[in-house]
Amino acid sequence: GENVEQHPSTLSVQEGDSAVIKCTYSDSASNYFPWYKQELGKGPQLIIDIRSNVGEKKDQRIAVTLNKTAKHFSLHITETQPEDSAVYFCAAGSYNTDKLIFGTGTRLQVFP
Amino acid sequence: GAGVSQSPSNKVTEKGKDVELRCDPISGHTALYWYRQSLGQGLEFLIYFQGNSAPDKSGLPSDRFSAERTGGSVSTLTIQRTQQEDSAVYLCASSSGLAGGLVKNIQYFGAGTRLSVL
Repeated sequence: GENVEQHPSTLSVQEGDSAVIKCTYSDSASNYFPWYKQELGKGPQLIIDIRSNVGEKKDQRIAVTLNKTAKHFSLHITETQPEDSAVYFCAAGSYNTDKLIFGTGTRLQVFP
Repeated sequence: GAGVSQSPSNKVTEKGKDVELRCDPISGHTALYWYRQSLGQGLEFLIYFQGNSAPDKSGLPSDRFSAERTGGSVSTLTIQRTQQEDSAVYLCASSSGLAGGLVKNIQYFGAGTRLSVL
């Protein structure tokens, strides 16, 4: 069945450093790849997404890259800040269904 | 409302009791999802409603779990004869659903219901 793998499960970085989270997906029909951030006690919130017709998308300090051939996509956070500390989930979806397949999550800790 | 609303925010129950968790999706959203998140774990898909279509129940872990969506809006997740392993945060999300072509399947999540089974 469809599967999304996410690594690492935990990530600790010093404030100001970069953080990278990687995901792979199995369904070649997937064409939509969102990233969600979940802060403590809250539901996940969309922070950035990318469609399969582009290879990279940036929004201030965050960027997502996509390699459709390899079925990889990654989240890059530059100049990390303590408020970036949260659990991050990648997901994959396709245009013929509303369902998203979520990765297992990455707990990011940014130390001041 | 402005976002997805879930109630109660916390629920403590005794083993063997039935519980009902409620989700009010964003107005106009045709798709509604339930997920379970055990402590420190990822999002476990439970069930998905899309408009008037038959729900996708493929993620329900046992027949003690069921969900309804009345009038295409509010949804209730029911857990019968609760067990301690049912303790988790139950998250609801909604999305605008397919409108043809390349539509962003952005899911908007509620804050969840934290269920504790003693």
